[in-house]
Amino acid sequence: AQKITQTQPGMFVQEKEAVTLDCTYDTSDPSYGLFWYKQPSSGEMIFLIYQGSYDQQNATEGRYSLNFQKARKSANLVISASQLGDSAMYFCAMREPYSGSARQLTFGSGTQLTVLP
Amino acid sequence: DTEVTQTPKHLVMGMTNKKSLKCEQHMGHRAMYWYKQKAKKPPELMFVYSYEKLSINESVPSRFSPECPNSSLLNLHLHALQPEDSALYLCASSPGTPASTDTQYFGPGTRLTVL
Repeated sequence: AQKITQTQPGMFVQEKEAVTLDCTYDTSDPSYGLFWYKQPSSGEMIFLIYQGSYDQQNATEGRYSLNFQKARKSANLVISASQLGDSAMYFCAMREPYSGSARQLTFGSGTQLTVLP
Repeated sequence: DTEVTQTPKHLVMGMTNKKSLKCEQHMGHRAMYWYKQKAKKPPELMFVYSYEKLSINESVPSRFSPECPNSSLLNLHLHALQPEDSALYLCASSPGTPASTDTQYFGPGTRLTVL
């Protein structure tokens, strides 16, 4: 069975500094996708970044980058130059193997990030 | 445009009420999802519609009844709910293709309180 582990329930970072949120996964499927979502206190889940299992390069989207280490089965999110608006819950997720016409997501337990002024 | 809209934003209902949650997307996505999320927990999948057909029902009680009138709309009908059903209900959509980048985009959610 597929599993996502986020071992940091809470993290603090000073404004303008970089922070790494950890995510490890377990799957026996050679083809999978890894996602990071941000959920502010307002509730909306915001898609941040995607990494495919066959992608040769680490994904980047603006201030977000994904440190993908396939052999270690880790997909850590790096946020550079943290801003106060980055304070939120962050979820790592993995897409399950093809199931019908729509794929499901397995979520980690989340990391609550607080950016300090 | 990656917008998924949900109405209402907040809903308070009694255990004998009937209400509906609505979700809409105009991205041409063919898969739509309902999730339930408790505070400080990850979302839990409830239902998946693929090409307007119910493809996944994660053993959800019958007091929750999904409906997909067309490819852009998804409803969740609520009847005789329990206080433990109070949660954030999230709708999501995705292209629904086997492509490796099939990404789910979420709406802002409906905060439901059952009294």
